[in-house]
Amino acid sequence: DGGITQSPKYLFRKEGQNVTLSCEQNLNHDAMYWYRQDPGQGLRLIYYSQIVNDFQKGDIAEGYSVSREKKESFPLTVTSAQKNPTAFYLCASSIPSGTSAANTGELFFGEGSRLTVL
Amino acid sequence: GEDVEQSLFLSVREGDSSVINCTYTDSSSTYLYWYKQEPGAGLQLLTYIFSNMDMKQDQRLTVLLNKKDKHLSLRIADTQTGDSAIYFCAESTGGFKTIFGAGTRLFVKA
Repeated sequence: DGGITQSPKYLFRKEGQNVTLSCEQNLNHDAMYWYRQDPGQGLRLIYYSQIVNDFQKGDIAEGYSVSREKKESFPLTVTSAQKNPTAFYLCASSIPSGTSAANTGELFFGEGSRLTVL
Repeated sequence: GEDVEQSLFLSVREGDSSVINCTYTDSSSTYLYWYKQEPGAGLQLLTYIFSNMDMKQDQRLTVLLNKKDKHLSLRIADTQTGDSAIYFCAESTGGFKTIFGAGTRLFVKA
């Protein structure tokens, strides 16, 4: 079945360590996204990528880095510079709305990765 | 900047209707969405409405859009315990940016 796979589902990290979250999709979507979810807040965009070898900062990119070497993969690294990294991280993909009459910009999400910093 | 607001909690009895409300600020929004999130999982699109529509019905779901007041609502008829989840309102002007509300947690009492 087509979809988005995130791993690991749960991750614990010591302060000062970098950690990389994996996101893979087999939907053949060009666009991929990373969101952060905190309790009582909406999803906040960290980074997005419109196409292979290109990515853009979202609203809260500081302390995070990404790469997009393959269409299927968009890993997120949470660096030690991220001051408050404990959160639920969601990866998504889409065909951006407006690219054809049928596309509504629907986002397809993975199951999420919960990162806890000890 | 753009903003989407919704109340954080709603509690209903099984069999009643649930109405979740949302307001947004961007008058150029093209698409408005309702996503559902089960505990510990990702979001899944429930329904969407184009900005040139006033209403959309899909089985137990009814979406109402008041563009003048920038108000969107989701009505779930005959609410079941399986409808307990977080419901996110979101808007997009097209392209790559989607703005999400904080989510409304729906509790359904048996």
